Amino acid sequence: ETGVTQSPTHLIKTRGQQVTLRCSSQSGHNTVSWYQQALGQGPQFIFQYYREEENGRGNFPPRFSGLQFPNYSSELNVNALELDDSALYLCASSLDRYSPLHFGNGTRLTVT
Amino acid sequence: DQQVKQNSPSLSVQEGRISILNCDYTNSMFDYFLWYKKYPAEGPTFLISISSIKDKNEDGRFTVFLNKSAKHLSLHIVPSQPGDSAVYFCAVMNYGGSQGNLIFGKGTKLSVKP
Repeated sequence: ETGVTQSPTHLIKTRGQQVTLRCSSQSGHNTVSWYQQALGQGPQFIFQYYREEENGRGNFPPRFSGLQFPNYSSELNVNALELDDSALYLCASSLDRYSPLHFGNGTRLTVT
Repeated sequence: DQQVKQNSPSLSVQEGRISILNCDYTNSMFDYFLWYKKYPAEGPTFLISISSIKDKNEDGRFTVFLNKSAKHLSLHIVPSQPGDSAVYFCAVMNYGGSQGNLIFGKGTKLSVKP
């Protein structure tokens, strides 16, 4: 059984640029959630996708957007990058909205 | 303002002894509570959970206790092993919410010394 995979593992971008992070969910999982983990903090909920529809959003501005594809993989897009966007971005998939999350290893984004 | 607080950033315990990790929350509407473990360079891994209708849940060496009146939960690991060394996150879920939308604490780094 393949777990949650995220790409790339590391990324360096310049302030003002745009970035796309990718996530392949675990086989059979139809729900994907994205979290941002800043240094020294716990993961913070960005949004969740269930069957290609956004199903909940945390306290993040509209420049954070996402997509879920028919195969349940997902993308996180961040526009107009700011220095504070530097963080570990975690993707998690689950069997449904009420099942435990299975996290990927994350993408480390550095904005300079 | 933090809704989930893990007031101990770190904890050091001798192998074989008990590790107790604590978590406080502010909102009585939270009704499902989880612990995740995270090793460096890996994503968090689900460890154990408890719903608000219970006050204790056990899974092998891991036990979670919930005190609703005090809005406090704790994770006990007995006996502690060096492989338990990791960062432990407490997470809570709103009533009627989904497990995709969790509120995490800042974590406690546990070091188990041989």
